[in-house]
Amino acid sequence: EAGVAQSPRYKIIEKRQSVAFWCNPISGHATLYWYQQILGQGPKLLIQFQNNGVVDDSQLPKDRFSAERLKGVDSTLKIQPAKLEDSAVYLCASSLGAGVFTDTQYFGPGTRLTVL
Amino acid sequence: AQSVTQLDSHVSVSEGTPVLLRCNYSSSYSPSLFWYVQHPNKGLQLLLKYTSAATLVKGINGFEAEFKKSETSFHLTKPSAHMSDAAEYFCVVSDGFSGGYNKLIFGAGTRLAVHP
Repeated sequence: EAGVAQSPRYKIIEKRQSVAFWCNPISGHATLYWYQQILGQGPKLLIQFQNNGVVDDSQLPKDRFSAERLKGVDSTLKIQPAKLEDSAVYLCASSLGAGVFTDTQYFGPGTRLTVL
Repeated sequence: AQSVTQLDSHVSVSEGTPVLLRCNYSSSYSPSLFWYVQHPNKGLQLLLKYTSAATLVKGINGFEAEFKKSETSFHLTKPSAHMSDAAEYFCVVSDGFSGGYNKLIFGAGTRLAVHP
């Protein structure tokens, strides 16, 4: 079965520019997650969708970050305007069920963002 | 609130010798615990998970972990290291009751180096 797909794999931008990342989860997975992984740290959840509704966005910096999952399948994460501290790997993950806590999350390869 | 502490940021072993990666957790409820591995430029891969069944959990590639509630630990072990085991390992806790469903809290990671 195909895994979680993400694009682009790498992105370099200047600060104050905008950027968007795309994620296509495993087919049939109801729950989709976006994580931010800063160098030397573990991933941190930014936002979680169940189908096309937001379950948790408590750690999403809403003044500059936005995400959507309009048709309950693929998703985009946007940063506008970017700051230097946004340099990180952005990981997308998906899980099959209704987000129950024993559910296994499957991760994509990530997008490495560098903000200059 | 739940948290995870990985006691070693770096572990170095010789090929063929045992591996021990240490993890302590804090959770208000009965947690689910996971170990994920991240090879360079690849996505996170699930090694194993504990979900309140058997306390000794066997995973892929010969890894196993033991849930010890009295010690709040979930250490990862492997009897004999292989060169291909060199990677970053993350201990993860989820208790499903903090914020949204299936919220994963990652440790900071342990980088495992394997020498010939």
